Amino acid sequence: EIVLTQSPATLSLSPGERATLSCRASQSVSSFLAWYQQKPGQAPRLLVYDASNRAAGIPARFSGSGSGTDFTLTISSLEVEDFAVYYCQQRSNWPLTFGGGTKVEI
Amino acid sequence: EVRLVESGGGLVKPGGSLRLSCTASGLTFSSYNMNWVRQAPGKGLEWVSSISSTSRYIYYAESLEGRFTSSRDNAKNSLYLQMNSLRVEDTAVYYCARDLKPRNPCSGSSCNPEFDYWGQGILVTVSS
Repeated sequence: EIVLTQSPATLSLSPGERATLSCRASQSVSSFLAWYQQKPGQAPRLLVYDASNRAAGIPARFSGSGSGTDFTLTISSLEVEDFAVYYCQQRSNWPLTFGGGTKVEI
Repeated sequence: EVRLVESGGGLVKPGGSLRLSCTASGLTFSSYNMNWVRQAPGKGLEWVSSISSTSRYIYYAESLEGRFTSSRDNAKNSLYLQMNSLRVEDTAVYYCARDLKPRNPCSGSSCNPEFDYWGQGILVTVSS
């Protein structure tokens, strides 16, 4: 099973600041990595797929990068609505796995 | 508008069974792989199962140890999860989720799903 390790666990920032979230895979997943945002009481929302492709309707301030084992989700300038938990997910191998999440808080 | 609605959750005793349903609208259901993902209270996301568009391929998380069965009825635009021998640790919100793209044709990892549309989730509580 491919283990995804997200860091940091919590990121304390202010609106307007840049957020950099990391996801590291225990073995190469090529570019088969997605990022999701989840707010309390809501279903997750797909932000980025295949490492660097923004999903439909996702603002340009969200960007994904990386390949192999190291991936980054960057939020260029935090809006109030971006404070949430973010998960990465690999689809390179079965079983599909998620990272443990990074909480972005004010 | 794509809509996924789960039903069938609730309270069940350890060792009991439940069948979850997910009814889809606003999409060509038969073209997409479908998936179940769960989230225990206060915890992260855990992939449960994926079923291909034609039901030819079905995958499960190893932690389920053969207790869950996924199926679908494309004529009814519905996805199902039969859960048997339920344990306290199966307590979670269960989401159905659609794959981002139709995957025919595809090969290797490019066939595997990521999840763009999600249902609102349904709570399953396993407790005596």
